[in-house]
Amino acid sequence: EVQLLESGGGLVQPGGSLRLSCAASGFTFSSYVMTWVRQAPGMGLEWVSGISGSDHNTYYSDSVKGRFTISRDNSKNTVYLEMNSLRVEDTAIYYCANEVRLDHWGQGTLVTVSS
Amino acid sequence: DIQMTQSPSSLSASVGDRVTITCRASQGINSFLAWFQQKPGKAPKSLIYEASNLQSGVPSKFSGSGSGTHFTLTISSLQPEDFATYYCQQYNFYPLTFGGGTKVEIK
Repeated sequence: EVQLLESGGGLVQPGGSLRLSCAASGFTFSSYVMTWVRQAPGMGLEWVSGISGSDHNTYYSDSVKGRFTISRDNSKNTVYLEMNSLRVEDTAIYYCANEVRLDHWGQGTLVTVSS
Repeated sequence: DIQMTQSPSSLSASVGDRVTITCRASQGINSFLAWFQQKPGKAPKSLIYEASNLQSGVPSKFSGSGSGTHFTLTISSLQPEDFATYYCQQYNFYPLTFGGGTKVEIK
């Protein structure tokens, strides 16, 4: 059974930093693209970032490019999202999902950016 | 970026109704289109990938069709557990993009 478990969310002031983690199990992690998607309160889904399985190519939405960094550790079956220079508008539930077609999702972790 | 336009944004339907949701892409995306169901307070759940392929464990009352720029999700006979918000998503090009969602409510 595929499982994705996010952690690392919390309350942070504008301009601050957080690192999210997503621990994966139940599939061959290194073979899969991993994706971060977020959902602001009461809003729709927004793709944030993705990373390929073996060559670690990375992709970012314009809204986070230059502030967020995605990475992965295939030995730990974990993908990370380093978030810097956080803004109020980054407040959202952050989900990780596998592949670009997002077959499986974690339960999400809440990031709140507020002073 | 590819814009995904879903319609309607909301609908009211009765148990047993047949419901169809439409998703249009601003340019051709072949069949690289997925559909998701999201219930309040829960993570989205994948229903369909590659426009018409049912994910494992998803009941056959859900079906998808289309290619290019025009896609549909149909629920053949709406049940109480199907009242939720539905999203389409294209994965032919980065940035991946979602439709705005369709909220299916009880009439």
